[in-house]
Amino acid sequence: AQSVTQLDSHVSVSEGTPVLLRCNYSSSYSPSLFWYVQHPNKGLQLLLKYTSAATLVKGINGFEAEFKKSETSFHLTKPSAHMSDAAEYFCVVSPNYGGSQGNLIFGKGTKLSVKP
Amino acid sequence: DTAVSQTPKYLVTQMGNDKSIKCEQNLGHDTMYWYKQDSKKFLKIMFSYNNKELIINETVPNRFSPKSPDKAHLNLHINSLELGDSAVYFCASSQIDQYGYTFGSGTRLTVV
Repeated sequence: AQSVTQLDSHVSVSEGTPVLLRCNYSSSYSPSLFWYVQHPNKGLQLLLKYTSAATLVKGINGFEAEFKKSETSFHLTKPSAHMSDAAEYFCVVSPNYGGSQGNLIFGKGTKLSVKP
Repeated sequence: DTAVSQTPKYLVTQMGNDKSIKCEQNLGHDTMYWYKQDSKKFLKIMFSYNNKELIINETVPNRFSPKSPDKAHLNLHINSLELGDSAVYFCASSQIDQYGYTFGSGTRLTVV
């Protein structure tokens, strides 16, 4: 069975300071992992994805995440927060059945607030 | 040119009514999905179709009936709407062996 746990429901940072959004996963298979962002009243946008290639994944808008199998973690980071980063962030796992995709399993989300 | 488009964007209706939400993707993807996001922002899959065939059907009341006339369209029909159906419904699509889904912008359904 697959599951994903986002360790913080709300993270608040000041503009220009680093961002860390934490995610742990559980999967019976080698998973694919994703981070999606949802701005208020908007749809879901893919930030980055891990699919068993490089463990350090770079995404859009300066975000990156590192896959750590020993820690079953996939934390999202950004060196310097911008006001426009304020949104809801979802860590997502998908089982990797021999290269095909199963359905996505979402974490409960982390709301990122950025203070001026 | 929107990749995954849903209509309507907002839907307010009374209990007991029947309503439909439409979804179309122009990405040439083989698989389409419906996800439900509840008031606490939690997202959960409802249905998945691959080339017009149902492949995932989670525990969803049978008042919800997906219909896929072709692989570019996946509509969601809901009968006898209840207050608890109020949520944001997202359509998504993906292509086998390509990781990552493309989501529509969502349909906010409010049942009063």
